[in-house]
Amino acid sequence: AQSVAQPEDQVNVAEGNPLTVKCTYSVSGNPYLFWYVQYPNRGLQFLLKYITGDNLVKGSYGFEAEFNKSQTSFHLKKPSALVSDSALYFCAVRVLTGGGNKLTFGTGTQLKVEL
Amino acid sequence: KAGVTQTPRYLIKTRGQQVTLSCSPISGHRSVSWYQQTPGQGLQFLFEYFSETQRNKGNFPGRFSGRQFSNSRSEMNVSTLELGDSALYLCASSPAGWRAADTQYFGPGTRLTVL
Repeated sequence: AQSVAQPEDQVNVAEGNPLTVKCTYSVSGNPYLFWYVQYPNRGLQFLLKYITGDNLVKGSYGFEAEFNKSQTSFHLKKPSALVSDSALYFCAVRVLTGGGNKLTFGTGTQLKVEL
Repeated sequence: KAGVTQTPRYLIKTRGQQVTLSCSPISGHRSVSWYQQTPGQGLQFLFEYFSETQRNKGNFPGRFSGRQFSNSRSEMNVSTLELGDSALYLCASSPAGWRAADTQYFGPGTRLTVL
């Protein structure tokens, strides 16, 4: 069965500094990896995904993620954090076995960007 | 294009009652998935519908059910509500759901409180 781990419950970073939110995965087939962000009392907003190809994926709002197959990681990054980036971030994995469309999510990482 | 819409946004029910939540997917999307989000269990997959058929099901009791209509709109029903059913219920749609590159787009959720 596939699983995703987000080892940090919370990440604090100063505005203007680079940020990294960590994600590791465990799957038996090809991993299809996603990052979503959730603001308070809102649904999940899609940020970016890795399907195949270039290991560096660029997404919305200046975010990017690096896929590392040997380390089974898919860390989310941004070169310069904004206070408005403060939110809950989820990593998710999807494996195409038996068809269907199920995402398995990590536990989420609360990002706090301070002035 | 309009995003995924969910109604109602907020619901308060008492134990033993039943509830029906509604989801309208993005126009042209045929796959609808439902997730439950709670502080303790995080994001958990409930079920997925495609072309009016349940294609995947998560590990939830039979009190949780759903259906999809010919226009791809979906409803989920929870019968005999328990306190533990209090959660944010999220609906997500995607074009077909069986392609690796398909992305799930989430609605704002329905916040269910069971008293």
